[in-house]
Amino acid sequence: AQKVTQAQTEISVVEKEDVTLDCVYETRDTTYYLFWYKQPPSGELVFLIRRNSFDEQNEISGRYSWNFQKSTSSFNFTITASQVVDSAVYFCALSEAPRDDKIIFGKGTRLHILP
Amino acid sequence: GAVVSQHPSWVICKSGTSVKIECRSLDFQATTMFWYRQFPKQSLMLMATSNEGSKATYEQGVEKDKFLINHASLTLSTLTVTSAHPEDSSFYICSAQYLAAGYTFGSGTRLTVV
Repeated sequence: AQKVTQAQTEISVVEKEDVTLDCVYETRDTTYYLFWYKQPPSGELVFLIRRNSFDEQNEISGRYSWNFQKSTSSFNFTITASQVVDSAVYFCALSEAPRDDKIIFGKGTRLHILP
Repeated sequence: GAVVSQHPSWVICKSGTSVKIECRSLDFQATTMFWYRQFPKQSLMLMATSNEGSKATYEQGVEKDKFLINHASLTLSTLTVTSAHPEDSSFYICSAQYLAAGYTFGSGTRLTVV
């Protein structure tokens, strides 16, 4: 069965530090999709990235970057030069689409950026 | 594009009453929608998958008679919490699939049962 593990429950860093959020997944499928979402205190989920299992290229978007390694079943997320506005809960998620369209979330990492 | 509107944003109801939450896709047809529940400081737990015109598929441990899901049209899915009790108080979020492995989420409904 599919599973997403975010071992870091809570992280606090000082503003401008870099921080990496870990995500390890389990799936029996060769085709699957990985996601990262941000959930600010308002509760709304903010989509950050989607990556399919055939694309292991790392991605950078501004201060955000993602490292996908199939060999270790990991999809880690790094925020460079963190800012207070980055404080939120971050969820890693997995979908075994197209076989199974549902998306399963990890437990989330609560990130505190201290001024 | 691919916007989902969820209403209400918050609701307070008395114990024993029923509450309906709507999830509407505004600019696309959603054949598949998902309902999640999130307790404070916890993750989003999938409750059920609803497909237009057919019965919803519930995850293990979710009472289908308590959480009624209706997906009667390609743009609307509803979740009704029947005979709500304080332990049903939670944050409920819907999601709609707009393409293969493409999902958009509603803004959530905070339910408080008193």
